[in-house]
Amino acid sequence: DTEVTQTPKHLVMGMTNKKSLKCEQHMGHRAMYWYKQKAKKPPELMFVYSYEKLSINESVPSRFSPECPNSSLLNLHLHALQPEDSALYLCASSPLGGTPTDEQYFGPGTRLTVT
Amino acid sequence: AQSVTQPDIHITVSEGASLELRCNYSYGATPYLFWYVQSPGQGLQLLLKYFSGDTLVQGIKGFEAEFKRSQSSFNLRKPSVHWSDAAEYFCAVGSAGFQKLVFGTGTRLLVSP
Repeated sequence: DTEVTQTPKHLVMGMTNKKSLKCEQHMGHRAMYWYKQKAKKPPELMFVYSYEKLSINESVPSRFSPECPNSSLLNLHLHALQPEDSALYLCASSPLGGTPTDEQYFGPGTRLTVT
Repeated sequence: AQSVTQPDIHITVSEGASLELRCNYSYGATPYLFWYVQSPGQGLQLLLKYFSGDTLVQGIKGFEAEFKRSQSSFNLRKPSVHWSDAAEYFCAVGSAGFQKLVFGTGTRLLVSP
């Protein structure tokens, strides 16, 4: 299995809802990432987990809460989002724990719309 | 801090013609350079990467890139473009000691018949 999977593909949620995004990889990778991508913009790093520990939080608002239950799974819990949080959320993984030479493998993303 | 500039927002190329996408980086030490491609609504796929050694690197789908330290550039090339190459292309730089990539703003490639 050489892919990163993300569910759901699309998500519409209200500003008072609580939802979660899920990301899985079964390649034995030791680092996992969440990115946010707005239309016609590059991906922006949100969080990095290395060996199941949070190693980077790019000053992301607390309404986004990451979780890494095990080395294959990464969740992003969403609560009280704003319409400007609507974006494509990309998950990625890399083999070696997140060194700069590590190749990142991206999932197809979850298209999130906040109403 | 490292940064990446992709000066071309859009490029249109005829099918079968050659392609060059420009990328300039700013970083004081040895950069780790990547080119990714993104089809509409999809994730990113790595085309090629440069860490050290031969400055001309070969990637997937017939792409290559050349690292030129004197020009701080890492331009992507393909000798003959196919309609399926139409997509968004991102150049990115990683740096020693950091677990993050910094992406350029992207270049949208359009392929005309």
